[in-house]
Amino acid sequence: DGGITQSPKYLFRKEGQNVTLSCEQNLNHDAMYWYRQDPGQGLRLIYYSQIVNDFQKGDIAEGYSVSREKKESFPLTVTSAQKNPTAFYLCASSPQDSPLHFGNGTRLTVT
Amino acid sequence: GEDVEQSLFLSVREGDSSVINCTYTDSSSTYLYWYKQEPGAGLQLLTYIFSNMDMKQDQRLTVLLNKKDKHLSLRIADTQTGDSAIYFCAERAGGSYIPTFGRGTSLIVHP
Repeated sequence: DGGITQSPKYLFRKEGQNVTLSCEQNLNHDAMYWYRQDPGQGLRLIYYSQIVNDFQKGDIAEGYSVSREKKESFPLTVTSAQKNPTAFYLCASSPQDSPLHFGNGTRLTVT
Repeated sequence: GEDVEQSLFLSVREGDSSVINCTYTDSSSTYLYWYKQEPGAGLQLLTYIFSNMDMKQDQRLTVLLNKKDKHLSLRIADTQTGDSAIYFCAERAGGSYIPTFGRGTSLIVHP
């Protein structure tokens, strides 16, 4: 089955630690995206990548980093510089000029 | 800038029709989407409409687009408890990879 896999589903970290969220797709999509979702705030774009080895900042990139070394993978690192990292993180992918397909999300809790 | 507005909550009785409304500001919007999010899950694409269409019907779902007023609606006929979820409206201009999402409407279906 083709799809987008985010892992793990739940992640717990101590404040001050970096943490990396995984996103893998086997849909052969060119573009991949990371969104953050907080209650009542909808989706906010963190980073996106239209092609391998290239990515752009979204609306709330501060405190996050990404890489796109392979077409199928777009990991997101939440660094210790992110002031409020606890949130639900959603990865998505799309072919050019088509709707986004979403993974099932990772809920990150930092204490 | 671009903006997509939705009301935050809608409550309906099981068996009734639900109508979720959305307004957008970007006159260059080419694609308009409706996504559904169940608790703890990612977004699932329900349906989409091109800006040169007025209406699209897909089983119990009817999408209406009023381009002049920049108003989009999603009607769910014979609403069931399984339809309880958050519904997101999104728009995207042609040639852009990045959709703009509304904050989502929580649909509550009660017996």
